[in-house]
Amino acid sequence: KAGVTQTPRYLIKTRGQQVTLSCSPISGHRSVSWYQQTPGQGLQFLFEYFSETQRNKGNFPGRFSGRQFSNSRSEMNVSTLELGDSALYLCASSLGGSGEQYFGPGTRLTVT
Amino acid sequence: AQSVTQLDSQVPVFEEAPVELRCNYSSSVSVYLFWYVQYPNQGLQLLLKYLSGSTLVESINGFEAEFNKSQTSFHLRKPSVHISDTAEYFCAVSEGRGATNKLIFGTGTLLAVQP
Repeated sequence: KAGVTQTPRYLIKTRGQQVTLSCSPISGHRSVSWYQQTPGQGLQFLFEYFSETQRNKGNFPGRFSGRQFSNSRSEMNVSTLELGDSALYLCASSLGGSGEQYFGPGTRLTVT
Repeated sequence: AQSVTQLDSQVPVFEEAPVELRCNYSSSVSVYLFWYVQYPNQGLQLLLKYLSGSTLVESINGFEAEFNKSQTSFHLRKPSVHISDTAEYFCAVSEGRGATNKLIFGTGTLLAVQP
């Protein structure tokens, strides 16, 4: 089976712009979660989607949003980018509710 | 709220020596526990997991971890490390029990294997 794929792998944006990141889960996986990884804050949970519904959300401002499509692919959007949004954004997919997740390679976002 | 503590930010060790990476979690409720490994410029790879059953779990590349409920720990061990084991290791906990897949991660431990 193909693993979790994320596009793009690298992205450079300017403060104030918005960005959309894409994630394709492993075939058959219905749960997709997003995490932000930074040197200062480590790995932090953003949100989780299951069957097109957001079923859990982390402590991030409303500028961070996401959605899931009927084919389980997911996108996350960050509006009005700030310098502090520079991070590695990781997507993970899961088959069930055990927390066992499989991660993609991430999208490295740099905000200048 | 659930939290995960990895006390050692970096562990230097010589090749072929044993190593232990420590992980403690805060919740006393039933949890699922995981170790993930991250190589430079890559995503996270699942190394091993404890969901239920035997408290000692093993990976295919020689790592093992033991779930200790009374000490709320899930330490990772390997009897003999290789240069290729150099990476960052993250301990994670999930308490969703089917309701969510949210993972709470520790701050990571950089395992630096020296020749």
